[in-house]
Amino acid sequence: DSGVTQTPKHLITATGQRVTLRCSPRSGDLSVYWYQQSLDQGLQFLIQYYNGEERAKGNILERFSAQQFPDLHSELNLSSLELGDSALYFCASSPSTGGYTFGSGTRLTVV
Amino acid sequence: GQNIDQPTEMTATEGAIVQINCTYQTSGFNGLFWYQQHAGEAPTFLSYNVLDGLEEKGRFSSFLSRSKGYSYLLLKELQMKDSASYLCAVLEANQAGTALIFGKGTTLSVSS
Repeated sequence: DSGVTQTPKHLITATGQRVTLRCSPRSGDLSVYWYQQSLDQGLQFLIQYYNGEERAKGNILERFSAQQFPDLHSELNLSSLELGDSALYFCASSPSTGGYTFGSGTRLTVV
Repeated sequence: GQNIDQPTEMTATEGAIVQINCTYQTSGFNGLFWYQQHAGEAPTFLSYNVLDGLEEKGRFSSFLSRSKGYSYLLLKELQMKDSASYLCAVLEANQAGTALIFGKGTTLSVSS
């Protein structure tokens, strides 16, 4: 157990739908990062939050959004889902400096 | 922006030594990480280099040359369980903050 908790582990939904992925960081970590991993693309950085505020943005689509709550957990919202959004979505957390610890991921399948 | 290159696949035999190279071009370099990832699982931290030179950790070592934009991960005494994807990642800092940017990974297959 890495200390980073992601739910759900698996999600199957239809095109056009909206889903919410949840992440609880390691105790004491203020930063949360979201990544998308598809078979041909590797780990793609989506967005970072630090202590409730958005800090850095990567290749995140406009259909996707995220937030970090006062208790530091984070949610990634994916809307108007397309087949190509099927992927593993990882959350990672870190203290103010240092390496990232990854959660076990949410496998999203869009049918 | 950033560009991180590493070989797509490598093969080796048990007990051997393998070196996985990574080259990068980035602005705001703040360190280089190596992660191991088994299929369908979370990446796990292997090593971190921020200064030039070699960092050794058991069977794994990592080297960094910032002037050359080059790193390698050295795996010694290979075991079957080392079959996995190895991800090179650059910690990139800019005005907005820092983000760990990953290469596409090198899939290592270890055979007996």
